[in-house]
This record gives sequence, C-alpha cells and structure tokens, in this order.
Amino acid sequence: AQKITQTQPGMFVQEKEAVTLDCTYDTSDPSYGLFWYKQPSSGEMIFLIYQGSYDQQNATEGRYSLNFQKARKSANLVISASQLGDSAMYFCAMIPFGRDSSYKLIFGSGTRLLVRP
Amino acid sequence: DTGVSQDPRHKITKRGQNVTFRCDPISEHNRLYWYRQTLGQGPEFLTYFQNEAQLEKSRLLSDRFSAERPKGSFSTLEIQRTEQGDSAMYLCASSRGTGEYEQYFGPGTRLTVT
Repeated sequence: AQKITQTQPGMFVQEKEAVTLDCTYDTSDPSYGLFWYKQPSSGEMIFLIYQGSYDQQNATEGRYSLNFQKARKSANLVISASQLGDSAMYFCAMIPFGRDSSYKLIFGSGTRLLVRP
Repeated sequence: DTGVSQDPRHKITKRGQNVTFRCDPISEHNRLYWYRQTLGQGPEFLTYFQNEAQLEKSRLLSDRFSAERPKGSFSTLEIQRTEQGDSAMYLCASSRGTGEYEQYFGPGTRLTVT
C-alpha cells in the first residue's frame, strides 16, 4: 500500500525556535518523490520543498529543510527560526514513480502548527 | 506569470442541483489534477489530465462526476445531482510534467450542499 503517515495532529513552537514535523511513508516503488505543502487558513496549498528518492543530499529551501532518512522511510520537515506567519496546516505528500504513474500526490492527514509569540 | 486560478471560490447549492467548477492552470503546464479535501483531511486525488487526455480517474469519482479539459488548457469539473456528501473543497493543481514534479495549487472551490 502507498501511504503517508503524519502522527502529530497539532504542534506548538515558540517564535524564532526550530520545529520538526514528522512524516513517514510507505511505497513499494524504488523511485518516488516526497513533498511538503503548507495550507494557511485561506485554504490554498503552497508548495514548500521536494526530495527525490535518489537525491544524495537532503533538500533545503530557505528556512525549510527536509530530513530524509530512506532506511526509516521518513521525510521530516524542519522549519528553522519560526515566524508567526508559519502558523498553518502542513501536509506531507508522495508521488510514487512506478510504471504508468500518473504523478498524483498522496497526502497525509496533516499537522497543524501554531507559532506562539 | 499568473498562478492556478479557480472559479467560483465558493458555491452553495441545494441537493439535487448540478454544479460546474472551472480551473485555469499555469499556462505552460501540461498536467492538470483535481483533488477533493474534506474538513480535517488531506486532499484526495480525483482525476488527472495530460494535455486534453483524461488519463486516470479515482474510484472516488462516481458517475455523477465528470471532468473535461477540451483544448488542453482550462478544465471543468461537473457534479450532477449533488448530495450533501459532496460538500468539500475542490482543489485544482497543475505541473510542468517534464522532469518537474511539484504541483501548484489554485485557491480551491468550496462547495456546500444544503
């Protein structure tokens, strides 16, 4: 089965501190992509970061980094120096690149992050 | 460069009515996706177009749902004989499709069926 699991329904972090949002995945395809999206209360899904399964280095985009541990099948998102505007829902997602892939995203259930001033 | 747009942003309809939503993807993107998101859940895949061809439909897409992308540009999603269970956010996303896999989402259409 192809599945994304996010076990933290909600998280708090103090402004300016770092926070890690957990994500584990399951797929039998050897090639896949992992994504994180942010969904503010306005509802739009905002792409944050991408990690390919064969990428040697962990992806980074500004204050976002993806801690990719292939053997553990985990793809945790690290947000450094949290800001009040980071308060939102965060979704981990996967695209298995198997034969005949439609490249559709498979999402987890999300983690709600609240940044405290 | 404009992002993905969706219209309308909100739709309230009575049970049994038909509704149609429109999605305009980023212009150079040839892949277009529809997802449905209910409260407290992650989005779920509904259907996928590559250019004008509809290449995959989820089992979630009952025969009351139909989607088109007639010229490989904008897409429409129609729900016939709406039911209260159809109430959700309908999200459209597009991607370039040539070695770039990230999908860019529109603001969504929130449907409420009364």
